Amino acid sequence: DQQVKQNSPSLSVQEGRISILNCDYTNSMFDYFLWYKKYPAEGPTFLISISSIKDKNEDGRFTVFLNKSAKHLSLHIVPSQPGDSAVYFCAASAHRTGANNLFFGTGTRLTVIP
Amino acid sequence: KAGVTQTPRYLIKTRGQQVTLSCSPISGHRSVSWYQQTPGQGLQFLFEYFSETQRNKGNFPGRFSGRQFSNSRSEMNVSTLELGDSALYLCASSNHRDRSSPLHFGNGTRLTVT
Repeated sequence: DQQVKQNSPSLSVQEGRISILNCDYTNSMFDYFLWYKKYPAEGPTFLISISSIKDKNEDGRFTVFLNKSAKHLSLHIVPSQPGDSAVYFCAASAHRTGANNLFFGTGTRLTVIP
Repeated sequence: KAGVTQTPRYLIKTRGQQVTLSCSPISGHRSVSWYQQTPGQGLQFLFEYFSETQRNKGNFPGRFSGRQFSNSRSEMNVSTLELGDSALYLCASSNHRDRSSPLHFGNGTRLTVT
């Protein structure tokens, strides 16, 4: 029962353009959302997070948008750089089940073409 | 500051055996969480330890167990290995158990059960 879904296994974008990665969730108890980036042979690296009391959070080139009514969040990377090529995981947690009990999506492989 | 260190990086075991994986968290981090990553299920939460006590547990059978030592180092044990236990096991540490401190992952231990 996948409670966090990333329906696009892969995405290719030209360098300098915007990358938009999408994530949907089914559990209405989720109140905190995170994005992680993973390079081959390395563990996931935290990118950015957002609380359910917000609908947008920015950190440099990365912006996460949250649409609670649609149970949807997205990660925007502008401008995209070749070094951004990696697998991106969306994750969610609920206060009731613990901040470190993260429910992950299956990932989207982003390829930024120079 | 050194990152999360997991040993060994690779492990091959036979069905029915048991295995112990080790994790050293970032210095000063007291919370350690374990995740299993498989191609079919993605990353799934196993358990979390804080101050030597298991604080949270995912939906895994009792063959999966762990412990945390007074220096915050943690071990994970899987007994009576099954073929389906073949996976990447990721350890993550954080400073606190709240959302202000995101998880920092190690590079994982790749376990293959034959």
